[in-house]
Amino acid sequence: DQQVKQNSPSLSVQEGRISILNCDYTNSMFDYFLWYKKYPAEGPTFLISISSIKDKNEDGRFTVFLNKSAKHLSLHIVPSQPGDSAVYFCAAVEQTLGNEKLTFGTGTRLTIIP
Amino acid sequence: DVKVTQSSRYLVKRTGEKVFLECVQDMDHENMFWYRQDPGLGLRLIYFSYDVKMKEKGDIPEGYSVSREKKERFSLILESASTNQTSMYLCASSPVEGNQPQHFGDGTRLSIL
Repeated sequence: DQQVKQNSPSLSVQEGRISILNCDYTNSMFDYFLWYKKYPAEGPTFLISISSIKDKNEDGRFTVFLNKSAKHLSLHIVPSQPGDSAVYFCAAVEQTLGNEKLTFGTGTRLTIIP
Repeated sequence: DVKVTQSSRYLVKRTGEKVFLECVQDMDHENMFWYRQDPGLGLRLIYFSYDVKMKEKGDIPEGYSVSREKKERFSLILESASTNQTSMYLCASSPVEGNQPQHFGDGTRLSIL
């Protein structure tokens, strides 16, 4: 059972426009959410996170929004740049014993068109 | 800067072999993790460890075991490799403090023939 879902396997966006990546989850015990970015032949790198006590977190061109009632989060990238082309994974944590066990979505491949 | 190093980028083994994947982190992190990444399935947790000699099963532990004899090193063992274990394997570490992201190595692409 996929507890974290990214329903769009791929997304293409024009350079300079906004990219919006979506993620849904089913486990109401998740209390911390992260976005990772992955280039081919490299490990995922942490991008931005949000705690369940917030509904928005911003870091430069990246903003994550959390809607707890809808169990939905989204990552906004604006303006999109060619270097943003990568696979993006959302992940969720149910903090138990401080193990920080992450549950990942299946990923969305973002392509920025110059 | 956190460094998670996986011993091999590419590995080719034969069915039935015992395979060892090694991971070392240099940030004195308590938590370490092994994932596999497959197309359309995202990253799935195999095993994790929150202290030396401690291990916990993740979501897909069957066919795997782990070893954590030292804090900085976490090994994944395929007891008897099978073709369905062909995958990208990713190691990660994180500190015990809450709400800290995991840091990943660059992965080992393992092919079982």
